[in-house]
Amino acid sequence: GQNIDQPTEMTATEGAIVQINCTYQTSGFNGLFWYQQHAGEAPTFLSYNVLDGLEEKGRFSSFLSRSKGYSYLLLKELQMKDSASYLCAVRDPITSGTYKYIFGTGTRLKVLA
Amino acid sequence: DSGVTQTPKHLITATGQRVTLRCSPRSGDLSVYWYQQSLDQGLQFLIQYYNGEERAKGNILERFSAQQFPDLHSELNLSSLELGDSALYFCASSVFAGRGPTDTQYFGPGTRLTVL
Repeated sequence: GQNIDQPTEMTATEGAIVQINCTYQTSGFNGLFWYQQHAGEAPTFLSYNVLDGLEEKGRFSSFLSRSKGYSYLLLKELQMKDSASYLCAVRDPITSGTYKYIFGTGTRLKVLA
Repeated sequence: DSGVTQTPKHLITATGQRVTLRCSPRSGDLSVYWYQQSLDQGLQFLIQYYNGEERAKGNILERFSAQQFPDLHSELNLSSLELGDSALYFCASSVFAGRGPTDTQYFGPGTRLTVL
């Protein structure tokens, strides 16, 4: 079946580093995305991985291991505004040239002062 | 602001009714995707259109339908509404049909549907 697992909630302190894990089991794989979503708002794109390894973008980094079906999002120097849900999504090929996106239920991150 | 627009922002209606949600993609984007997000649920992919044609189908109910018009805006029609259809409905757009390595989806602000 298709499954994406993330922790439901995490709490961290302002200025700290937090790692949000995502494991996936999908029939196919054509990339993994991380989105940030503040309550009641639209998801906004954070990062994309399709090859194994680490992608760094400012305070945010994302890692992928395709053989393990595993990714993580690393947030450094946490700020209060980072309090949000973080969604992991896998792009899964349906047929040649056709894809669907499977989203996890998200990890709600609370940043404390 | 992602450049994707959705109307209306909020919609309150009764069970059994029919509603239409509208989405305009970012300028230059050919693909439109529709998602449903209920409380405590992840984003559920409903359907994708690319350049006017249906491209991929997800968990879309038979009571729901969508289309993409020549000007690339899209409408999602929900009929015979039930209480369980209350959710946030997001539209997203991307340049291509998702095949590119970085064909990222950009989300609109969503329509909050409440069925009473």
